[in-house]
Amino acid sequence: GQNIDQPTEMTATEGAIVQINCTYQTSGFNGLFWYQQHAGEAPTFLSYNVLDGLEEKGRFSSFLSRSKGYSYLLLKELQMKDSASYLCAVKDSNYQLIWGAGTKLIIKP
Amino acid sequence: IAGITQAPTSQILAAGRRMTLRCTQDMRHNAMYWYRQDLGLGLRLIHYSNTAGTTGKGEVPDGYSVSRANTDDVPLTLASAVPSQTSVYFCASSGQASSGANVLTFGAGSRLTVL
Repeated sequence: GQNIDQPTEMTATEGAIVQINCTYQTSGFNGLFWYQQHAGEAPTFLSYNVLDGLEEKGRFSSFLSRSKGYSYLLLKELQMKDSASYLCAVKDSNYQLIWGAGTKLIIKP
Repeated sequence: IAGITQAPTSQILAAGRRMTLRCTQDMRHNAMYWYRQDLGLGLRLIHYSNTAGTTGKGEVPDGYSVSRANTDDVPLTLASAVPSQTSVYFCASSGQASSGANVLTFGAGSRLTVL
């Protein structure tokens, strides 16, 4: 079956750096997405990786290794507003998105 | 403001009742999706529509039906609601389904409680 694994919850300190990991097993691969979802709100797009390597976008970076079925989202200079759930999703060979359960990130002052 | 509008925002209904969740987009996106989100589980696809006039079943389609009469609207109907359909429902859209880079835009969600 298809599977996306990510930690359920992580805690970090304001101003610090945190890395959220995502491993996947899917039938085919057409890209990996990270979305941010604040409590009670809709998911919003953060990043897209289709080739191996690091994509940087401001304080957020996303890394992909297709051979290892692995990605991470790196958040730098954490702010309280970064407290949210982070969803990892992979597009399979049929271009359907397979979603992880999400990682709830708690930022402490 | 361009985007996706869902209605109702929240609803409580009795088991056995029929319910339609509405979704409208004004971005002229081809593909539209209905997901449910439950605590501890990822977003699960209920139904999708790659273009007006076509629909397909997702991962958890049982008990739900969807129509796509035009580009902008994709109502989701629960013919006879059951308590296990208590969830938060998200409608989403994207430009082209068969494109790796297409980003989903989500509506604000509809919280449904079936008693």
